[in-house]
Amino acid sequence: QQQVKQSPQSLIVQKGGISIINCAYENTAFDYFPWYQQFPGKGPALLIAIRPDVSEKKEGRFTISFNKSAKQFSLHIMDSQPGDSATYFCAASTRDTGNQFYFGTGTSLTVIP
Amino acid sequence: EPEVTQTPSHQVTQMGQEVILRCVPISNHLYFYWYRQILGQKVEFLVSFYNNEISEKSEIFDDQFSVERPDGSNFTLKIRSTKLEDSAMYFCASSRLAAEQFFGPGTRLTVL
Repeated sequence: QQQVKQSPQSLIVQKGGISIINCAYENTAFDYFPWYQQFPGKGPALLIAIRPDVSEKKEGRFTISFNKSAKQFSLHIMDSQPGDSATYFCAASTRDTGNQFYFGTGTSLTVIP
Repeated sequence: EPEVTQTPSHQVTQMGQEVILRCVPISNHLYFYWYRQILGQKVEFLVSFYNNEISEKSEIFDDQFSVERPDGSNFTLKIRSTKLEDSAMYFCASSRLAAEQFFGPGTRLTVL
């Protein structure tokens, strides 16, 4: 059973463009939705996270949009740069602490100069 | 900036051998986790640990796996008798009170 579905599997964007990655979930008990960035050979690094009481959160060039009724959330990377080329994972969890993250399948982003 | 560290970075072992993967979580964190990532696949939860006991574990975390916090700083994952399908990157993570989990750089386990 796949708790979190992520798309697309891969994405190629021109430098300066907008990268959009989407995730959908089924479990309405999820209350924390982080995005992780992973470079080859490295561990996932927390990028930005949102809770369902807000519909959008922005940190620099990264924005999470959250649609509670549709059970969907997405990551927008504005002004994408070649250094953003990495794999991005969405995740979800049900409690504040101590609970497992359910990860999406990942999106490989390539930003071409 | 404090970070989660893991050793070794790469472990090669023969099938059937025992391995111990080590992690040093961030010092004031209270919750500890192990995840694994088979090459090219998503990150999968193995186990969470709080107050010196397992708080949650996945179906992957069978009797071949165990975790321990032998002292105030280390957090270990033991695989008793490794199988070929245990080959993966193993990530340790820790969190304090908030939901944010901070991941280590991982240990690549290769089972021959």
